[in-house]
Amino acid sequence: KQEVTQIPAALSVPEGENLVLNCSFTDSAIYNLQWFRQDPGKGLTSLLLIQSSQREQTSGRLNASLDKSSGRSTLYIAASQPGDSATYLCAVSPRDNYGQNFVFGPGTRLSVLP
Amino acid sequence: DTGVSQDPRHKITKRGQNVTFRCDPISEHNRLYWYRQTLGQGPEFLTYFQNEAQLEKSRLLSDRFSAERPKGSFSTLEIQRTEQGDSAMYLCASRQSSGNTIYFGEGSWLTVV
Repeated sequence: KQEVTQIPAALSVPEGENLVLNCSFTDSAIYNLQWFRQDPGKGLTSLLLIQSSQREQTSGRLNASLDKSSGRSTLYIAASQPGDSATYLCAVSPRDNYGQNFVFGPGTRLSVLP
Repeated sequence: DTGVSQDPRHKITKRGQNVTFRCDPISEHNRLYWYRQTLGQGPEFLTYFQNEAQLEKSRLLSDRFSAERPKGSFSTLEIQRTEQGDSAMYLCASRQSSGNTIYFGEGSWLTVV
């Protein structure tokens, strides 16, 4: 059974700092991996998707990497801003169902202090 | 593109009552998903539809839960004989079968008292 963990559970940083969020998964047979952002009491917004054949994806100040063999992904946020404060969730799609659903981690709650 | 809509946003119900949530996906999206999320946890997959066909159900979806998507448009998730353990946020999401990006609604909060 695929399990996804995220470290740290919570993180508080001053504005402007670069930071890294970590995601680990137990089964390397994945179709893809996505990072999502969730604001309190709201739904999820997809940030980056990495296909199993890819190593990284970039969007603006965000960069996500994938090391499938070791079961790890990182989300790098450059020059953090207070508006980045949210919970960041990592999710993997098992290969055996061709990406039809996701297994989510518990998330990392990020606070960026002005 | 008005996004994924869910209704109601909040529902408080007494244990044993039935509740129904509705999801309106983005209009051209043929895949629709239901997830459940409890505080401090990531969402857990419940079920998904391609058009009107329910293609996969999680073991989390007990006999008290039923989901439908008549005509492949909106979907409903009904919980019968609610229990306190059903208290959670129920998230709906949709996407095109040919696309990778999945769009989530803002969720329906259920509190069973």
